[in-house]
Amino acid sequence: AQRVTQPEKLLSVFKGAPVELKCNYSYSGSPELFWYVQYSRQRLQLLLRHISRESIKGFTADLNKGETSFHLKKPFAQEEDSAMYYCALQMSGGSNYKLTFGKGTLLTVNP
Amino acid sequence: DGGITQSPKYLFRKEGQNVTLSCEQNLNHDAMYWYRQDPGQGLRLIYYSQIVNDFQKGDIAEGYSVSREKKESFPLTVTSAQKNPTAFYLCASSIVAVPGNEQFFGPGTRLTVL
Repeated sequence: AQRVTQPEKLLSVFKGAPVELKCNYSYSGSPELFWYVQYSRQRLQLLLRHISRESIKGFTADLNKGETSFHLKKPFAQEEDSAMYYCALQMSGGSNYKLTFGKGTLLTVNP
Repeated sequence: DGGITQSPKYLFRKEGQNVTLSCEQNLNHDAMYWYRQDPGQGLRLIYYSQIVNDFQKGDIAEGYSVSREKKESFPLTVTSAQKNPTAFYLCASSIVAVPGNEQFFGPGTRLTVL
Protein backbone atom coordinates (compact mmCIF):
# COMPACT_ATOMS: atom_id res chain seq x y z
CA ALA A 1 0.00 0.00 0.00
CA GLN A 2 1.11 3.55 -0.63
CA ARG A 3 2.33 5.73 2.21
CA VAL A 4 3.38 9.36 2.64
CA THR A 5 5.69 10.39 5.45
CA GLN A 6 6.30 13.93 6.65
CA PRO A 7 8.91 13.52 9.38
CA GLU A 8 8.51 16.98 10.94
CA LYS A 9 5.29 17.82 12.77
CA LEU A 10 6.54 21.33 13.50
CA LEU A 11 9.04 23.54 11.71
CA SER A 12 10.01 27.02 12.81
CA VAL A 13 12.21 29.42 10.84
CA PHE A 14 12.92 33.13 10.79
CA LYS A 15 11.74 35.46 8.05
CA GLY A 16 14.18 35.49 5.16
CA ALA A 17 15.67 32.11 6.00
CA PRO A 18 15.45 29.15 3.63
CA VAL A 19 12.83 26.56 4.40
CA GLU A 20 12.50 22.90 3.41
CA LEU A 21 9.54 20.73 4.29
CA LYS A 22 10.33 17.07 3.84
CA CYS A 23 8.11 14.47 2.21
CA ASN A 24 8.96 10.85 1.54
CA TYR A 25 6.70 8.30 -0.08
CA SER A 26 6.46 4.59 -0.64
CA TYR A 27 4.68 3.36 -3.74
CA SER A 28 5.63 0.69 -6.22
CA GLY A 29 4.36 2.58 -9.26
CA SER A 30 5.04 6.04 -10.65
CA PRO A 31 3.08 8.48 -8.51
CA GLU A 32 1.62 11.92 -8.92
CA LEU A 33 2.65 14.12 -5.99
CA PHE A 34 1.15 17.26 -4.55
CA TRP A 35 1.60 19.80 -1.80
CA TYR A 36 -1.57 21.17 -0.20
CA VAL A 37 -1.60 24.10 2.23
CA GLN A 38 -4.04 25.22 4.90
CA TYR A 39 -3.65 28.78 6.11
CA SER A 40 -5.31 29.82 9.35
CA ARG A 41 -9.11 30.01 8.97
CA GLN A 42 -8.93 29.10 5.29
CA ARG A 43 -9.75 26.00 3.32
CA LEU A 44 -7.23 23.39 2.39
CA GLN A 45 -5.98 24.25 -1.09
CA LEU A 46 -3.52 23.02 -3.65
CA LEU A 47 -0.11 24.68 -3.52
CA LEU A 48 1.67 22.84 -6.29
CA ARG A 49 1.91 19.51 -8.10
CA HIS A 50 4.97 17.92 -9.58
CA ILE A 51 3.33 17.26 -12.95
CA SER A 52 3.13 21.02 -13.56
CA ARG A 53 6.75 21.71 -12.64
CA GLU A 54 5.68 25.14 -11.45
CA SER A 55 6.74 27.55 -8.74
CA ILE A 56 3.93 28.93 -6.62
CA LYS A 57 4.48 31.73 -4.08
CA GLY A 58 8.21 31.09 -4.41
CA PHE A 59 7.88 27.42 -3.47
CA THR A 60 9.27 24.60 -5.58
CA ALA A 61 9.30 20.84 -5.18
CA ASP A 62 11.30 18.29 -7.11
CA LEU A 63 10.35 14.67 -7.40
CA ASN A 64 13.36 12.46 -6.64
CA LYS A 65 12.39 8.94 -7.60
CA GLY A 66 15.68 7.49 -6.40
CA GLU A 67 15.16 8.82 -2.89
CA THR A 68 11.33 8.61 -3.17
CA SER A 69 11.08 12.19 -1.96
CA PHE A 70 9.17 15.34 -2.87
CA HIS A 71 10.54 17.99 -0.57
CA LEU A 72 9.05 21.51 -0.63
CA LYS A 73 11.53 24.38 -0.69
CA LYS A 74 11.57 28.14 -0.57
CA PRO A 75 14.78 30.17 -0.50
CA PHE A 76 13.44 33.08 1.59
CA ALA A 77 10.53 32.38 3.93
CA GLN A 78 7.88 35.04 4.58
CA GLU A 79 5.59 35.41 7.59
CA GLU A 80 2.56 34.76 5.38
CA ASP A 81 3.95 31.30 4.63
CA SER A 82 3.00 30.20 8.14
CA ALA A 83 0.49 27.40 7.64
CA MET A 84 -0.07 23.64 7.77
CA TYR A 85 1.44 21.86 4.78
CA TYR A 86 0.39 18.42 3.57
CA CYS A 87 2.16 16.24 1.06
CA ALA A 88 -0.13 13.94 -0.92
CA LEU A 89 0.28 11.04 -3.34
CA GLN A 90 -2.00 9.94 -6.14
CA MET A 91 -1.54 6.51 -7.68
CA SER A 92 -0.83 6.44 -11.39
CA GLY A 93 -2.90 4.78 -14.07
CA GLY A 94 -6.31 3.18 -13.93
CA SER A 95 -9.29 5.19 -12.79
CA ASN A 96 -8.41 5.58 -9.14
CA TYR A 97 -7.62 9.20 -8.44
CA LYS A 98 -7.89 9.29 -4.69
CA LEU A 99 -5.15 10.93 -2.65
CA THR A 100 -3.13 9.61 0.26
CA PHE A 101 -2.01 12.42 2.58
CA GLY A 102 0.87 12.71 4.99
CA LYS A 103 0.24 13.83 8.55
CA GLY A 104 1.28 17.39 7.83
CA THR A 105 3.93 19.88 8.92
CA LEU A 106 3.03 23.08 10.72
CA LEU A 107 5.36 25.81 9.50
CA THR A 108 5.85 28.92 11.58
CA VAL A 109 7.81 31.82 10.14
CA ASN A 110 8.94 34.18 12.87
CA PRO A 111 9.56 37.90 12.30
CA ASP B 1 -14.09 30.44 -2.16
CA GLY B 2 -17.40 28.82 -3.02
CA GLY B 3 -17.90 25.85 -5.26
CA ILE B 4 -18.15 23.38 -2.41
CA THR B 5 -20.35 23.99 0.58
CA GLN B 6 -20.63 21.95 3.77
CA SER B 7 -23.26 22.28 6.42
CA PRO B 8 -23.52 22.71 9.27
CA LYS B 9 -20.25 24.31 10.34
CA TYR B 10 -20.59 22.90 13.87
CA LEU B 11 -22.60 19.86 14.88
CA PHE B 12 -23.24 18.35 18.27
CA ARG B 13 -24.55 14.85 18.73
CA LYS B 14 -25.43 12.65 21.63
CA GLU B 15 -23.90 9.21 21.83
CA GLY B 16 -26.00 6.60 20.05
CA GLN B 17 -27.42 9.00 17.49
CA ASN B 18 -26.80 8.98 13.77
CA VAL B 19 -26.01 12.31 12.14
CA THR B 20 -25.73 13.37 8.50
CA LEU B 21 -23.23 15.92 7.19
CA SER B 22 -24.08 17.75 3.99
CA CYS B 23 -21.73 18.37 1.06
CA GLU B 24 -22.77 20.13 -2.15
CA GLN B 25 -20.70 21.24 -5.14
CA ASN B 26 -21.53 23.31 -8.21
CA LEU B 27 -18.26 22.67 -10.04
CA ASN B 28 -19.73 19.90 -12.20
CA HIS B 29 -17.09 17.53 -10.83
CA ASP B 30 -17.63 13.81 -11.19
CA ALA B 31 -15.63 12.73 -8.14
CA MET B 32 -16.34 13.56 -4.51
CA TYR B 33 -14.55 12.58 -1.32
CA TRP B 34 -14.94 12.60 2.44
CA TYR B 35 -11.95 12.96 4.74
CA ARG B 36 -11.55 13.03 8.47
CA GLN B 37 -8.94 15.41 9.90
CA ASP B 38 -7.62 14.78 13.41
CA PRO B 39 -4.72 16.61 15.08
CA GLY B 40 -1.45 14.88 14.25
CA GLN B 41 -3.16 12.41 11.90
CA GLY B 42 -3.46 14.40 8.70
CA LEU B 43 -6.35 13.65 6.40
CA ARG B 44 -7.73 10.14 6.20
CA LEU B 45 -10.10 9.07 3.45
CA ILE B 46 -13.50 7.79 4.57
CA TYR B 47 -15.41 7.29 1.31
CA TYR B 48 -15.15 8.46 -2.26
CA SER B 49 -17.38 8.46 -5.31
CA GLN B 50 -16.30 8.76 -8.91
CA ILE B 51 -19.76 8.76 -10.45
CA VAL B 52 -23.40 9.06 -9.46
CA ASN B 53 -24.84 5.97 -7.76
CA ASP B 54 -21.39 4.53 -7.13
CA PHE B 55 -18.99 4.90 -4.20
CA GLN B 56 -16.08 3.05 -2.61
CA LYS B 57 -14.77 2.69 0.90
CA GLY B 58 -11.67 4.58 1.81
CA ASP B 59 -9.19 3.78 4.55
CA ILE B 60 -11.46 4.33 7.56
CA ALA B 61 -15.02 3.60 6.38
CA GLU B 62 -16.21 1.66 9.42
CA GLY B 63 -19.08 3.42 11.17
CA TYR B 64 -19.82 5.70 8.22
CA SER B 65 -22.17 5.55 5.25
CA VAL B 66 -22.68 7.68 2.14
CA SER B 67 -24.98 8.07 -0.83
CA ARG B 68 -24.51 9.65 -4.25
CA GLU B 69 -27.93 10.10 -5.78
CA LYS B 70 -27.05 13.39 -7.47
CA LYS B 71 -23.84 14.56 -9.07
CA GLU B 72 -23.69 17.67 -6.91
CA SER B 73 -24.40 16.04 -3.54
CA PHE B 74 -22.49 13.54 -1.40
CA PRO B 75 -23.87 13.36 2.17
CA LEU B 76 -22.01 11.50 4.90
CA THR B 77 -23.81 9.75 7.75
CA VAL B 78 -21.89 9.14 10.94
CA THR B 79 -23.58 6.21 12.60
CA SER B 80 -23.64 5.15 16.21
CA ALA B 81 -21.21 2.38 15.24
CA GLN B 82 -18.41 4.90 14.77
CA LYS B 83 -16.45 4.58 18.00
CA ASN B 84 -14.68 7.93 17.96
CA PRO B 85 -16.71 10.31 15.81
CA THR B 86 -15.57 13.62 17.27
CA ALA B 87 -13.46 15.16 14.50
CA PHE B 88 -13.26 17.71 11.71
CA TYR B 89 -14.78 16.41 8.47
CA LEU B 90 -13.76 17.68 5.07
CA CYS B 91 -15.52 17.14 1.76
CA ALA B 92 -13.71 17.53 -1.56
CA SER B 93 -14.37 17.16 -5.26
CA SER B 94 -12.31 16.77 -8.41
CA ILE B 95 -12.51 16.13 -12.13
CA VAL B 96 -12.05 12.45 -12.79
CA ALA B 97 -9.84 10.91 -15.46
CA VAL B 98 -7.26 13.69 -15.42
CA PRO B 99 -3.78 12.77 -14.11
CA GLY B 100 -2.60 15.16 -11.48
CA ASN B 101 -6.10 16.55 -10.97
CA GLU B 102 -6.61 18.98 -8.13
CA GLN B 103 -9.04 18.31 -5.31
CA PHE B 104 -11.12 21.27 -4.15
CA PHE B 105 -12.07 21.30 -0.50
CA GLY B 106 -15.04 22.57 1.41
CA PRO B 107 -14.83 24.59 4.64
CA GLY B 108 -15.44 21.55 6.85
CA THR B 109 -17.84 20.47 9.59
CA ARG B 110 -16.69 20.04 13.16
CA LEU B 111 -18.61 17.22 14.83
CA THR B 112 -18.62 16.87 18.58
CA VAL B 113 -20.19 13.91 20.33
CA LEU B 114 -21.41 14.76 23.81
